[in-house]
Amino acid sequence: QKEVEQDPGPLSVPEGAIVSLNCTYSNSAFQYFMWYRQYSRKGPELLMYTYSSGNKEDGRFTAQVDKSSKYISLFIRDSQPSDSATYLCAMSSMNSGYSTLTFGKGTMLLVSP
Amino acid sequence: NAGVMQNPRHLVRRRGQEARLRCSPMKGHSHVYWYRQLPEEGLKFMVYLQKENIIDESGMPKERFSAEFPKEGPSILRIQQVVRGDSAAYFCASSPGGITNEKLFFGSGTQLSVL
Repeated sequence: QKEVEQDPGPLSVPEGAIVSLNCTYSNSAFQYFMWYRQYSRKGPELLMYTYSSGNKEDGRFTAQVDKSSKYISLFIRDSQPSDSATYLCAMSSMNSGYSTLTFGKGTMLLVSP
Repeated sequence: NAGVMQNPRHLVRRRGQEARLRCSPMKGHSHVYWYRQLPEEGLKFMVYLQKENIIDESGMPKERFSAEFPKEGPSILRIQQVVRGDSAAYFCASSPGGITNEKLFFGSGTQLSVL
């Protein structure tokens, strides 16, 4: 079992749709959870960062963490064509003392006008 | 207010040659991480460095790969005698303090192609 599982997609939605992206993980030591957005041939860009179970909202984005189920989600409201990108979940533990991240493979999102 | 700078953006090498990838962290950041992204794979941690020190190289292949972050100048990821399997995107990230819950900021990467 991989440490972090993420459906690669692609996920195709019409403009204005609500998008749900998900990751599951197996390592209960993971305490910090992030979502990165990566456009083609670009580096990952940090979107959301959270360390507790529950919801965190930032504009059209909501990150949700359920540590009991080892499941995290990213919701995008009113999706736009400019949201078309690959979304990577990432997580880290407190064990190492520094921020080595374990990434999912990424979900490709396509938002059509 | 430049972000993490990586160069070159694209690097083509023939099998057996050496590849040198450079990374300049964000201003004020003294901690550098290298990640590799193989086709159809997620980003994989390779090495974590502070100025003049390798802190964690647990993700680095044991042979042909080395990294440094000198007191002056950029961090360098060096791959000797490249093989086709080294073809990938190599990303550098930096952070200011190297603590557990720190946010990492990534560069745009170097795409290495081995012919």
